[in-house]
Amino acid sequence: AQSVTQPDIHITVSEGASLELRCNYSYGATPYLFWYVQSPGQGLQLLLKYFSGDTLVQGIKGFEAEFKRSQSSFNLRKPSVHWSDAAEYFCAVGGGTNAGKSTFGDGTTLTVKP
Amino acid sequence: DTGVSQDPRHKITKRGQNVTFRCDPISEHNRLYWYRQTLGQGPEFLTYFQNEAQLEKSRLLSDRFSAERPKGSFSTLEIQRTEQGDSAMYLCASSFTTDTQYFGPGTRLTVL
Repeated sequence: AQSVTQPDIHITVSEGASLELRCNYSYGATPYLFWYVQSPGQGLQLLLKYFSGDTLVQGIKGFEAEFKRSQSSFNLRKPSVHWSDAAEYFCAVGGGTNAGKSTFGDGTTLTVKP
Repeated sequence: DTGVSQDPRHKITKRGQNVTFRCDPISEHNRLYWYRQTLGQGPEFLTYFQNEAQLEKSRLLSDRFSAERPKGSFSTLEIQRTEQGDSAMYLCASSFTTDTQYFGPGTRLTVL
């Protein structure tokens, strides 16, 4: 069965500081991996995705993520955080042709200090 | 491309009542998914359709829940005899085959 673990429930960073959100997954085949962001009361917005190829993936809003198969990880990074990045971030794994559904982690809430 | 839309955005109902939610996917997308999200948790998969066929249902989807996608376009999710435990955000997403899922804004259900 596929699963996702986001070890950090809550992270606080200062505006302008760098950010890394951790994501570990369990999946029996080559995973499709996603990061989404959710603002309070809203749906999920896709930040970036990894299907294959280059393991360093660029996304919107200056985010990037690196797929490390040996560590079963797909951590999200941003070099300089803005106050508007405060939100909840979800990592998800999907199974492509085998299972269209995605399995999500429980999310990491990001607080940005001025 | 107007994105995935969901209606209503909020629904308050009394325990025991039936409710129905609607999802309109992105027009060229053939897959449609329903997820449920409770406070402090990530979305949990409920069911998905490819065109009008319902291909998978989660064990979370009790007999009180039913979903349809009659013409392969919009979908409805009905909950019969609602319980307080059904209170959650219900999210709809759509995709073209196995590509990226795009989510709607969700319907927040409160069962009193």
